[in-house]
Amino acid sequence: DTAVSQTPKYLVTQMGNDKSIKCEQNLGHDTMYWYKQDSKKFLKIMFSYNNKELIINETVPNRFSPKSPDKAHLNLHINSLELGDSAVYFCASSQIQGKAEAFFGQGTRLTVV
Amino acid sequence: DQQVKQNSPSLSVQEGRISILNCDYTNSMFDYFLWYKKYPAEGPTFLISISSIKDKNEDGRFTVFLNKSAKHLSLHIVPSQPGDSAVYFCAARSRSARQLTFGSGTQLTVLP
Repeated sequence: DTAVSQTPKYLVTQMGNDKSIKCEQNLGHDTMYWYKQDSKKFLKIMFSYNNKELIINETVPNRFSPKSPDKAHLNLHINSLELGDSAVYFCASSQIQGKAEAFFGQGTRLTVV
Repeated sequence: DQQVKQNSPSLSVQEGRISILNCDYTNSMFDYFLWYKKYPAEGPTFLISISSIKDKNEDGRFTVFLNKSAKHLSLHIVPSQPGDSAVYFCAARSRSARQLTFGSGTQLTVLP
């Protein structure tokens, strides 16, 4: 059983398109995240979300929006894709209280052409 | 503004020897530190962590050391095995923050 699963694993799309990446966790965690790994391999936080609060990294363009239908899911919607959006996107989850360790999905490699 | 830094992008070690991966941080509010391991085409997986109230945590072949005065932590792997070859990320969290701040990673290669 995969703890944090995200789909698709690979996504190739044209500039200007709108796309979504889905994420589900079966760990019962109360907080979910989206991270972006850029060309320099840094893992940068984009969003953190629980049922009470969405925290957005101020550097994230508003073309990116998280959508959480329920506690176990946090999907990432991207509008008007740009070449610079090409990266690997990781979903993760954790508990707010207690240990800080986050569990990650396998990543989605997005390529915008 | 890189609050967590891993200054060595790569490290090669002979099998059976010790691997030492280093990490520096600048935010004195960080109180919990973690190491993640990442294989190609996979997500990072949690390896070991340490709270700021400790200076050492050991789990099998893996030991993390924390030097708060120097704002430095290190991961020791003894003995190193070829299967340890991966990218290792250092991460940190402050009590007030929910998310982890990551370093840029160090590619460890363990040579047979």
